[in-house]
Amino acid sequence: SQQGEEDPQALSIQEGENATMNCSYKTSINNLQWYRQNSGRGLVHLILIRSNEREKHSGRLRVTLDTSKKSSSLLITASRAADTASYFCATGGSGNTGKLIFGQGTTLQVKP
Amino acid sequence: KAGVTQTPRYLIKTRGQQVTLSCSPISGHRSVSWYQQTPGQGLQFLFEYFSETQRNKGNFPGRFSGRQFSNSRSEMNVSTLELGDSALYLCASSLVGGTGVGGNSPLHFGNGTRLTVT
Repeated sequence: SQQGEEDPQALSIQEGENATMNCSYKTSINNLQWYRQNSGRGLVHLILIRSNEREKHSGRLRVTLDTSKKSSSLLITASRAADTASYFCATGGSGNTGKLIFGQGTTLQVKP
Repeated sequence: KAGVTQTPRYLIKTRGQQVTLSCSPISGHRSVSWYQQTPGQGLQFLFEYFSETQRNKGNFPGRFSGRQFSNSRSEMNVSTLELGDSALYLCASSLVGGTGVGGNSPLHFGNGTRLTVT
């Protein structure tokens, strides 16, 4: 079953604009991760935010986490055509394992 | 470091056959996880192996199995293939030990094996 629900399912913007994707989850978590997937390829890890963190930055990426609302958002600033991809949030439970539960993803199209 | 390598990249099989997919993790990574990705169900966790032992399993029938070798390479097997097994099968490796509070090291994915069952 899917833990995360992502919103919107699809997003189309112009190059240079900001893109915001949201993720909601159901159960308590230890951390939340965001991944990117280019069409037909494997997933690439973008950023991990722990349950005791509220905000994290990495380059043009900014992730927020609100554990009281069980939600997270990923902001991509100054988007580029190369950012066109699907973005997934994933949550992990206790323990350091490879078992993550992924959301359905947001498909982002950045038009040049 | 070389990334996660999955072979073969594409596979076409007939219903009822069986298939074996292979995954070589990043050197030093001892955890290997497998995921199935379909348009309808999204990304679903199959199982995870660590030090040759299965330590997590998803909700898939017994036709799906896997193993891990002493060099951390992993294989997954699907027997008696069904049309619904058509999917992108992704392998991911990760370090053990966590990254501080909350565990769950980031996963490093291969490019997957695209399985088509006809």
